Amino acid sequence: DAGVIQSPRHEVTEMGQEVTLRCKPISGHNSLFWYRQTMMRGLELLIYFNNNVPIDDSGMPEDRFSAKMPNASFSTLKIQPSEPRDSAVYFCASGDWSSGNTIYFGEGSWLTVV
Amino acid sequence: GIQVEQSPPDLILQEGANSTLRCNFSDSVNNLQWFHQNPWGQLINLFYIPSGTKQNGRLSATTVATERYSLLYISSSQTTDSGVYFCAVTNAGNMLTFGGGTRLMVKP
Repeated sequence: DAGVIQSPRHEVTEMGQEVTLRCKPISGHNSLFWYRQTMMRGLELLIYFNNNVPIDDSGMPEDRFSAKMPNASFSTLKIQPSEPRDSAVYFCASGDWSSGNTIYFGEGSWLTVV
Repeated sequence: GIQVEQSPPDLILQEGANSTLRCNFSDSVNNLQWFHQNPWGQLINLFYIPSGTKQNGRLSATTVATERYSLLYISSSQTTDSGVYFCAVTNAGNMLTFGGGTRLMVKP
């Protein structure tokens, strides 16, 4: 299996622009997670989907952030408008909770908002 | 929510030394995982270990769920072991909560 695939790997954008991060989970996994990592706050869970349905989005920082999972093989995290404080590494992870297995992380999307 | 604390926060080792990293959690858990984040930022699964002991090469982990802690042992450390080690747990629900990590540097 190719693992969790994220794109873009790196993005530099100007403040106010829309940013869309993409994730393809591991085939067969029924849960998908978006995490954000910064030096100050560490790894924070933003939102979690189970069977394509958002279960908990309490970690989404504000209305500028939105996430969708239109099908089992694709998810997006959108920031509109972006701000410099959104600069971070955004990780997508997937897992199969029904069997109690581990979750696996993608390589992350490194976002810089200038 | 559940609290996860890792210690020590930073650790410097000479190549070949052994070390023990600790993870304490504030409530009962149904999932506990150890991850290694390498210097390139990749998060690599090490162990899925809600209880008991597992070994994988020079690494081993033990979780004592009743006492709410887990230990990660690194033996004969190598420079490639450098990075940040995270413990992450779930209790109610399926959200994995991460500790603050232990930053390890192994010197040649």
